[in-house]
Amino acid sequence: GAVVSQHPSWVICKSGTSVKIECRSLDFQATTMFWYRQFPKQSLMLMATSNEGSKATYEQGVEKDKFLINHASLTLSTLTVTSAHPEDSSFYICSVFFGEQYFGPGTRLTVT
Amino acid sequence: RKEVEQDPGPFNVPEGATVAFNCTYSNSASQSFFWYRQDCRKEPKLLMSVYSSGNEDGRFTAQLNRASQYISLLIRDSKLSDSATYLCVVPDMDTGRRALTFGSGTRLQVQP
Repeated sequence: GAVVSQHPSWVICKSGTSVKIECRSLDFQATTMFWYRQFPKQSLMLMATSNEGSKATYEQGVEKDKFLINHASLTLSTLTVTSAHPEDSSFYICSVFFGEQYFGPGTRLTVT
Repeated sequence: RKEVEQDPGPFNVPEGATVAFNCTYSNSASQSFFWYRQDCRKEPKLLMSVYSSGNEDGRFTAQLNRASQYISLLIRDSKLSDSATYLCVVPDMDTGRRALTFGSGTRLQVQP
């Protein structure tokens, strides 16, 4: 079946630094990928839709200048958390739709 | 009103018990529904899809009541391995986006 990978699986960074998370569609080409965020004890919330070759679409309340999304190829989307703050600590998951939704394994970000 | 609302958890049940989770959704135009299972610090995994009045897969039964905008998940003969958070999920109705709206989840703990 389709496989979506994420890298890194977990990362710890200091406040003010930037962190890049990669999402790769391994089995098929994806013109659209989705980025979700999950805070502790809460459910997944859609952050943005990553569109290959064009700008990402952000959900209300998500700062596009803080969460930079680049979808440069049909198999790779990257999410960069810029100037990270402790409140950005969360579980970030990407997904691809191909008949059904396939999720990456997630990236746990801790900002100290 | 939230788009997808679920029973508050946690549910603590003994092995072998039957347990039911409820979910209501706000968009009457929604056509398909899903139950996902999420283990701690992992990505969600599709458990069941519901397109018509219901679906059954082994010990799991999902029922849909469109008039009441209500979905349920029934688990019979609970196993220890069923312990997880169960997410009620409705696809985003925006055309072509294929993103998902998640309920807050219901945590199940099956005890020996």
